[in-house]
Amino acid sequence: NAGVTQTPKFRVLKTGQSMTLLCAQDMNHEYMYWYRQDPGMGLRLIHYSVGEGTTAKGEVPDGYNVSRLKKQNFLLGLESAAPSQTSVYFCASSYPPAGGTDTQYFGPGTRLTVL
Amino acid sequence: RKEVEQDPGPFNVPEGATVAFNCTYSNSASQSFFWYRQDCRKEPKLLMSVYSSGNEDGRFTAQLNRASQYISLLIRDSKLSDSATYLCVVKLRQAGTALIFGKGTTLSVSS
Repeated sequence: NAGVTQTPKFRVLKTGQSMTLLCAQDMNHEYMYWYRQDPGMGLRLIHYSVGEGTTAKGEVPDGYNVSRLKKQNFLLGLESAAPSQTSVYFCASSYPPAGGTDTQYFGPGTRLTVL
Repeated sequence: RKEVEQDPGPFNVPEGATVAFNCTYSNSASQSFFWYRQDCRKEPKLLMSVYSSGNEDGRFTAQLNRASQYISLLIRDSKLSDSATYLCVVKLRQAGTALIFGKGTTLSVSS
């Protein structure tokens, strides 16, 4: 049981390049999330998914797209990377989905630098 | 106004000290409350949930005051291993909403 894994762990991009970050969970969780963490800003929600085939925007969705084709995977895409997207990206998952104190489990993060 | 605000920190304390962190939240629709711990360059991990009646987990005590929209975390008998950033986190009432994080307060425990 690996929990939540993220690929890659580190990446350096040039402005304008594209890439996809992969998040995978083996806990059969319904909900998955993508956050970014910047110094002095705390974690901010980018997009989230409440189930396979569904996605929704979070607090800072601009410049990102997501897909949830399989329940266990949640992909975050950057179509044209910008220096402002330099950040640490965390994926999380949780179950049960509705209210309560459902715990979110986080992946180890992806450190992205855009030059 | 930031939805979740925490003490600015950092807190530098000796081993064995008692330290308290405070947090306020602005959205009255907040339903669930948590403290997460984040070690340097690592992912956040749940430390404890916070209940209206207050709850304790070993050396850690969490309190919630819904009327004042205030959350606290008390750490007694601090250990070197308690050094980390502590994140105050709330969740809104709507199903499926994500967590709203405070910026965190850094604790450094020294020998």
